[in-house]
Amino acid sequence: NAGVTQTPKFRILKIGQSMTLQCTQDMNHNYMYWYRQDPGMGLKLIYYSVGAGITDKGEVPNGYNVSRSTTEDFPLRLELAAPSQTSVYFCATRRGARHTDTQYFGPGTRLTVL
Amino acid sequence: AQSVTQLDSQVPVFEEAPVELRCNYSSSVSVYLFWYVQYPNQGLQLLLKYLSGSTLVESINGFEAEFNKSQTSFHLRKPSVHISDTAEYFCAVEGTSYGKLTFGQGTILTVHP
Repeated sequence: NAGVTQTPKFRILKIGQSMTLQCTQDMNHNYMYWYRQDPGMGLKLIYYSVGAGITDKGEVPNGYNVSRSTTEDFPLRLELAAPSQTSVYFCATRRGARHTDTQYFGPGTRLTVL
Repeated sequence: AQSVTQLDSQVPVFEEAPVELRCNYSSSVSVYLFWYVQYPNQGLQLLLKYLSGSTLVESINGFEAEFNKSQTSFHLRKPSVHISDTAEYFCAVEGTSYGKLTFGQGTILTVHP
């Protein structure tokens, strides 16, 4: 039982390049989230999904896209990387929306855009 | 809408000293509050949570937090810290839809020998 896995761990991109951050969970959780973490800013929600085929924007969605074709996977796509997207990205999952359901985080992907 | 303010960005303390990490929130709906801990180069882990009932909640490693509705606070405390408590701590409030969390800015706790 691996929980929430994210790949890659680290990545350096050039401005204008694109990439996909992978997130996979084996807990059969319905809800999945993408956050970005910037120093002194806490975590900001980028996108979330409440089940396969259903996604919605969070607080800071500009410059990102997501898809959810399966329960297990929730990839985050950066189409035209910009220096402002330099950050640490965390994927999280949750069984459902009950307040007793805990949100579990992956280990993160550290992205640098130069 | 919810918001969370962590009043200290960094808190240095000596080992075995008490510590308090401060968190204030605003919410127009029912409040569900959390403290998460992030050890260096790791993801976030849930430390403790307040959902309802007793206003004092405890974690398994000696931290506690008290929900104070009149002060809109959820401060985290530990009577005696260890070197291993060095980490960044995040306070968060849950919204009403889809389990979305709003996080504070984080407090870096550094425990010195």
